[in-house]
Parts: sequence; structure tokens; C-alpha cells
Amino acid sequence: DIQMTQSPSTLSASVGDRVTITCRASQSISSFLAWYQQKPGKAPKLLIYKASSLESGVPSRFSGSGSGTEFTLTISSLQPDDFATYYCQQYNSYWTFGQGTKVEIK
Amino acid sequence: QITLKESGPTLVKPTQTLTLTCTFSGFSLSTSGVGVGWIRQPPGKALEWLALIYWNDDKRYSPSLKSRLTITKDTSKNQVVLTMTNMDPVDTATYYCAHRDDHLLTFYYWGQGTLVTVSS
Repeated sequence: DIQMTQSPSTLSASVGDRVTITCRASQSISSFLAWYQQKPGKAPKLLIYKASSLESGVPSRFSGSGSGTEFTLTISSLQPDDFATYYCQQYNSYWTFGQGTKVEIK
Repeated sequence: QITLKESGPTLVKPTQTLTLTCTFSGFSLSTSGVGVGWIRQPPGKALEWLALIYWNDDKRYSPSLKSRLTITKDTSKNQVVLTMTNMDPVDTATYYCAHRDDHLLTFYYWGQGTLVTVSS
């Protein structure tokens, strides 16, 4: 099984801050990594696929990078609508999610 | 427009078998490359992928839950059914079904989710 480890688990930030979330895979997954945003009581929303491809309609302040085992999600300037929980997910071998990173208001 | 909706019991007793149905529209599960998966999320916890079925009836299961899961499809009804045996209180979660996009290779369209509580 491929394990996904996200850090940090919780992140306190202010509007306008640059935010970075890290995701590590237990073995190489090439670029088969997605990032999702989830708000309370809602289904996850796909933000980025193939590690760095921005899904249509997602604001350009979101970006992803990495390959192999190390990946990052960056929000260049945090907006009020961005306070949520973010999950990485590998789909190189089946599908595995990270444990999530909650971005909360500082 | 692709939509998915989960249905099934909201409460099951320990040791019982859970049967959930995903009813979808806007795509056909007979189209090459298409898949429908199930993902769950215990209250306040992370997402966990459970199972997926492809257009050609190929099936994939989470290794840790494989012995308890069965996924089937009814193409004519646009439905996918997940059964999970020997339910336990730790299986209390919101269960989602989702459409696997053949271009993205992962899940884009999700259902709203259904909360299943396991309790005697």
C-alpha cells in the first residue's frame, strides 16, 4: 500500500498570507497526485491533478508542484473562501488520501 | 451534467451487512474508461478510498477492507452498489460515491454523501 503523509495537520494563517502544504508518498508515484479542498458538510472539490495541473475554474492562486515522493500545494495569497481542509491523493496505485491539513484563521 | 447520489440505511447494527446504492446521471458506465468509486469519511477524520468498478466490470478494492467489500454495477439502471459485511461502530462514516474521470484518472464528480451510523 502507498501511504500519504501531509504536513502540517493544522495551519493558522491570515488573509493574504502565502501558504504551503507538503505531501509525501511512501514510494514513488510519479506525478499521479491530486489535491482536494473540502469544506464542512461538503464533498471534496478537485483543485489540482497530475501534481501541477490546475483544474478548470480553480483560481490561479492555487498551484502544485513535485514529483516522485515529495509534493506541495501553495496558495499564493490566502482568501477568506480558502479556509478549509486540504487533502492530497495519490492515484498511481489505487487511490490513497493523506490525513488532511486544516487551514484555519489566525 | 454529471450527478451522483448515494442512498441506503442511515443506521445499521454491529455485525450487519451494509448495502449502499449510487445512482448517477450524465454518463454511462458502459463507456470505455469510465469508473465509479466509493470513498468514506468518519466524522472529523480523513477520506478513505474503498472500492472502484470500471466500465468493463474490472473491480478494485482497498487491500485493508477487501475481504468485507463487494462492488457491482447495473448499467441499465445507472447504479453502482457497494456492500460491506460485518459492520462495526468504527465504520460509522459519510459514504461518498464518485465518478472517475478517464482523462484526470481520479475523482472529479462526487455525490453529496450519506452518513451511516453503526450502533446497537
